[in-house]
Amino acid sequence: QQQVKQSPQSLIVQKGGISIINCAYENTAFDYFPWYQQFPGKGPALLIAIRPDVSEKKEGRFTISFNKSAKQFSLHIMDSQPGDSATYFCAGATNSGYSTLTFGKGTMLLVSP
Amino acid sequence: NAGVTQTPKFQVLKTGQSMTLQCAQDMNHEYMSWYRQDPGMGLRLIHYSVGAGITDQGEVPNGYNVSRSTTEDFPLRLLSAAPSQTSVYFCASSPIVGGGYGYTFGSGTRLTVV
Repeated sequence: QQQVKQSPQSLIVQKGGISIINCAYENTAFDYFPWYQQFPGKGPALLIAIRPDVSEKKEGRFTISFNKSAKQFSLHIMDSQPGDSATYFCAGATNSGYSTLTFGKGTMLLVSP
Repeated sequence: NAGVTQTPKFQVLKTGQSMTLQCAQDMNHEYMSWYRQDPGMGLRLIHYSVGAGITDQGEVPNGYNVSRSTTEDFPLRLLSAAPSQTSVYFCASSPIVGGGYGYTFGSGTRLTVV
């Protein structure tokens, strides 16, 4: 059972455009939703995260939008740059007990110059 | 501050061989875990540990063994390698138990089983 569904699988955006990656979760006990960025040959790195008590979080050009009732959240990359080309993973976890992160399958983003 | 260090970076094994993937962190993190990454499958949890002497299975534990004798080290053992275990393996750590904090990942071990 896939608890976090991520789409699209791949995305091509022109430089300066907006990249949007969507995730939906099934486990209503999730209360922590991070996004990870992975460059080729590297391990994933935490990019930005949100908790369900807010509907939006912005850090620079990266924004998470969160819709608790729909059990969906998305990553928006404004003014996308070629350096943003990477694989992005969304994830969910509960903030209690021996919880672990459950990842989506990833989105490969290519920002064309 | 090295963070999470994984060795080796690359490995080729023959079917049936055993080996240990090493993971060490110098951040005094309680939580450590192993993930495998396969194309189109995302990151799948193999095993995790919430402290020295405490380990548990994740989503895909079969064929793998772990132990945690110290806070710093969390090795992953392949008991009898199979081609299905060809993957990129990542070790991750977190300062607290529970998912409410970011993970720090190592740079990965690319394993090929022939």
